[in-house]
Amino acid sequence: EPEVTQTPSHQVTQMGQEVILRCVPISNHLYFYWYRQILGQKVEFLVSFYNNEISEKSEIFDDQFSVERPDGSNFTLKIRSTKLEDSAMYFCASSEGGQPRYYEQYFGPGTRLTVT
Amino acid sequence: GESVGLHLPTLSVQEGDNSIINCAYSNSASDYFIWYKQESGKGPQFIIDIRSNMDKRQGQRVTVLLNKTVKHLSLQIAATQPGDSAVYFCAESGLGKLIFGQGTELSVKP
Repeated sequence: EPEVTQTPSHQVTQMGQEVILRCVPISNHLYFYWYRQILGQKVEFLVSFYNNEISEKSEIFDDQFSVERPDGSNFTLKIRSTKLEDSAMYFCASSEGGQPRYYEQYFGPGTRLTVT
Repeated sequence: GESVGLHLPTLSVQEGDNSIINCAYSNSASDYFIWYKQESGKGPQFIIDIRSNMDKRQGQRVTVLLNKTVKHLSLQIAATQPGDSAVYFCAESGLGKLIFGQGTELSVKP
């Protein structure tokens, strides 16, 4: 069964450093998402991406964040200058379609980001 | 504003019993409601969804009930097994993005 994959599984970085989290969505999917989950809290939407541009972003997704689909298979989340409060599990998801109607989103296993 | 929340943070059941996990939502305009299961160290895994024009949907050992009058969603798991132990999240579909609730941790006692 096709699945979303993410690398690395765990990333440790120092405050102020740049990190890039990588995702390979399911191959025939067209919509891509990033969510994050701070330890013990609910999953929060960050950004959705379609046709090489951002469809929607949350308040969390400020100028320090960016997303890119550099080739036909990868989808990346970059945090330019990490802060302690960026420590969280970051999940990538993909779906066959997107807004305005609902399509099932498939989640990857996550990357645990620890900022020290 | 929009929010989806859960009534109970933890639920402990005996193996073989039925489990009921509840969720309250506030955005009556949402079109779909979804239940996800999250095991430790893993990403959310889709369980079942329900469209807003339905009040009940059944899957394999799971049933989702939607009460739009009181904005309440529930997940029923029949004959709960140790493998069902996980955190369960309800989510609503808001024009593509998912809005998740806080999560209920289900613990199954042998």
